[in-house]
Amino acid sequence: DIQMTQSPSTLSASIGDRVTITCRASQSISSWLAWYQQKPGKAPKLLIYKASSLQSGVPSRFSGSGSGTEFTLTISSLQPDDFATYYCQQYDSYSTFGQGTKVEIK
Amino acid sequence: QITLKESGLTLVKPTQTLTLTCTFSGFSLTTSEVGVGWIRQPPGKTLEWLALIYGDDDKRYSPSLRSRLTVTKDTSKNQVVLRMTNMDPVDTATFYCAHTNYWDFGFWGRGTLVTVSS
Repeated sequence: DIQMTQSPSTLSASIGDRVTITCRASQSISSWLAWYQQKPGKAPKLLIYKASSLQSGVPSRFSGSGSGTEFTLTISSLQPDDFATYYCQQYDSYSTFGQGTKVEIK
Repeated sequence: QITLKESGLTLVKPTQTLTLTCTFSGFSLTTSEVGVGWIRQPPGKTLEWLALIYGDDDKRYSPSLRSRLTVTKDTSKNQVVLRMTNMDPVDTATFYCAHTNYWDFGFWGRGTLVTVSS
């Protein structure tokens, strides 16, 4: 099984901050990585697919980068609606999710 | 507009079989380019992918749960059914179905909380 490790587990930030979340795979997954945002009591929302492709309708302040084993999700200027938990998902070999990164208000 | 909705019993006894139905609209599950997946999330924990079925009836299962899972589709009803055998309290989770064009899930149902308890 491919393991996905996110860091940090929790991130405290302020409105307007640049935020970066990292996801590391236990083996190379090429660019088969997606990022999701989840708010309490809601289903996840796809933000980024294939490591860096922005899903339709997602604000351009979200961006993804990386390949192989290391990936990042960046929010260029944190907005009030962005406080949530973020998950990475690999789909190179079946699929596994990271443990999540909670972005909270500083 | 793509929508999905999960339904089924929300309280299951240990050792019983869970049957969940995903009823969808806005797409047709008839080609290899479209699929419906099942993902679960125990309370307060991360997401776990369970199974995926494509329109050409190609199926994929989580290796760790393969022996307990069966996924089928009824194209005429726009439904996908997940069966999970030998349920245990650790299987208590919110179960989601979701649409995919490959393996990333762009549209999700609202989820249904399944509790396993005697």
